[in-house]
Amino acid sequence: GAVVSQHPSWVICKSGTSVKIECRSLDFQATTMFWYRQFPKQSLMLMATSNEGSKATYEQGVEKDKFLINHASLTLSTLTVTSAHPEDSSFYICSARVPGGHEQYFGPGTRLTVT
Amino acid sequence: AQSVTQPDIHITVSEGASLELRCNYSYGATPYLFWYVQSPGQGLQLLLKYFSGDTLVQGIKGFEAEFKRSQSSFNLRKPSVHWSDAAEYFCAVAGTNAGKSTFGDGTTLTVKP
Repeated sequence: GAVVSQHPSWVICKSGTSVKIECRSLDFQATTMFWYRQFPKQSLMLMATSNEGSKATYEQGVEKDKFLINHASLTLSTLTVTSAHPEDSSFYICSARVPGGHEQYFGPGTRLTVT
Repeated sequence: AQSVTQPDIHITVSEGASLELRCNYSYGATPYLFWYVQSPGQGLQLLLKYFSGDTLVQGIKGFEAEFKRSQSSFNLRKPSVHWSDAAEYFCAVAGTNAGKSTFGDGTTLTVKP
């Protein structure tokens, strides 16, 4: 149980375009999902906390107009990187928290490359 | 504010040897503590967690961790390492309010044949 999927697993886009990444909880309803960014050989950097039916809470320094997060249902959260630039190239990982719990279950990640 | 320190950036052990990965945390109350493992290019998998009760917790893949409040530590152990255990290991702490987890910088485990 507690499986989280991400789509796509890998995407290449041109500078200036937008990319949408989906995060789904497959076998449970997740009222809270998290979006992280991870650079090579580094730890996870929390970008935002996504709560179903409300606006996401962004961490300090994260541009909310650039990284649009939508948590429209209890099983789906999306991250849209708008007007992507090469410096946005990274590994993006989502996680979902089981209702009433504190542990997070992670998706497999999405590798974004902006050319 | 909560924080996590993993003092060892890289550890190398021989297959079959025992393993201990260190984790120190900072949090004002009793924290929620986790260990996750990440294989290259993958997401994180939860190994084990501590919320309360018995300070020695058992996890998947033969791992265990011990919560020591006096030392603010939550070290991960395994009695006999397998080659498939080579990966990145992250310790994390979560508070009771916002529920956000703070991750350590990770420890890379290399297993020698």
